[in-house]
Amino acid sequence: AQSVTQLGSHVSVSEGALVLLRCNYSSSVPPYLFWYVQYPNQGLQLLLKYTTGATLVKGINGFEAEFKKSETSFHLTKPSAHMSDAAEYFCAVSDQVRGSYIPTFGRGTSLIVHP
Amino acid sequence: DARVTQTPRHKVTEMGQEVTMRCQPILGHNTVFWYRQTMMQGLELLAYFRNRAPLDDSGMPKDRFSAEMPDATLATLKIQPSEPRDSAVYFCASGSNSNYGYTFGSGTRLTVV
Repeated sequence: AQSVTQLGSHVSVSEGALVLLRCNYSSSVPPYLFWYVQYPNQGLQLLLKYTTGATLVKGINGFEAEFKKSETSFHLTKPSAHMSDAAEYFCAVSDQVRGSYIPTFGRGTSLIVHP
Repeated sequence: DARVTQTPRHKVTEMGQEVTMRCQPILGHNTVFWYRQTMMQGLELLAYFRNRAPLDDSGMPKDRFSAEMPDATLATLKIQPSEPRDSAVYFCASGSNSNYGYTFGSGTRLTVV
């Protein structure tokens, strides 16, 4: 069974500082990996995804993530945090079940950005 | 931008009442999910459909929850009878196997009192 662990339920950074949100996964097959962002009172929005190919994936809003198979990790980074990045971030792993890719989500990490 | 539409956005109901939540997936998407989000459990998969056929609803309490897709433009999630522990935000998401990233609706915030 697939699972996702997000280290740290809350991460606090200063505006302009590096953002690093950690995600480790387990999967019995090569996984598809995702990061979603959720702003208050909204649904989840896809930030980026890894399926195959290049292991460094760039997404929206300046975020990127690197798939490291040896470490079973898919950490999310952004070089310089903005106040508008404050939100809940979810890592998800997906493998194929009966022809569909079913995401399993981590518990989420709340990103707090200080002025 | 295409979006997944969920109605109602908010619902407050009394224990024992029937609740119906609706979802309009993005046109052309053949996979629809229902998730429930709570502080305690995070995001839980309740059910999903592929080409309108239910493939897995093992995450749902069968005695009170039901999910259907009467046509390609409508998915419904019903709770009958509702209980206070059902209070949560219910999300619908749709997608296709050609892109693997799913689009979420804004959710229905359900409060059962």
